[in-house]
Amino acid sequence: DAGVTQSPTHLIKTRGQQVTLRCSPISGHKSVSWYQQVLGQGPQFIFQYYEKEERGRGNFPDRFSARQFPNYSSELNVNALLLGDSALYLCASRGQGHTSYNSPLHFGNGTRLTVT
Amino acid sequence: GDSVTQMEGPVTLSEEAFLTINCTYTATGYPSLFWYVQYPGEGLQLLLKATKADDKGSNKGFEATYRKETTSFHLEKGSVQVSDSAVYFCALTSTGTASKLTFGTGTRLQVTL
Repeated sequence: DAGVTQSPTHLIKTRGQQVTLRCSPISGHKSVSWYQQVLGQGPQFIFQYYEKEERGRGNFPDRFSARQFPNYSSELNVNALLLGDSALYLCASRGQGHTSYNSPLHFGNGTRLTVT
Repeated sequence: GDSVTQMEGPVTLSEEAFLTINCTYTATGYPSLFWYVQYPGEGLQLLLKATKADDKGSNKGFEATYRKETTSFHLEKGSVQVSDSAVYFCALTSTGTASKLTFGTGTRLQVTL
């Protein structure tokens, strides 16, 4: 079975541009979360979506937005890119309800975004 | 708010040495605790978890015990291998926020022959 897949794997953008990152969860998983991992740091929670609705948001500016589609795939959008947005963006999916502790988060390999 | 503090790395050990990576946390309520591992060029993989006080999580020779009295969840392994070289992250979720993991900054482990 395919794991969580993210695209693209690498991306280079210029300050002020906009970027869209894509994520396909494991088949049957309805919950998708996004994390930002700056080099040398632990991942920071950005969003969680479950059944196409936003169920949680981290401490990120409104330049960050996301959505989940009927097939449970998800997109993360970042507008007006800043140099500080350079990071590894991780997507994770979970099989049970959005508050289930028993089902672990499965992470993709991430999209490496570089803003110049 | 929730926070996780890990010992800083890198940690360099010889193969078959004993490993301890310290992790302490601050959280409201009764968090669940996790260790994730990140191999070079890969995403995070769940290594082990514990959901209540005194629980011991274990996997692949790694162990960690949920200590509520000391708010700790230290990772241990009796004999490390070169293949254990990776970055290890301690993390927690608070009650009702199961997908929102709060991570520590990670500890890089390098195991040499």
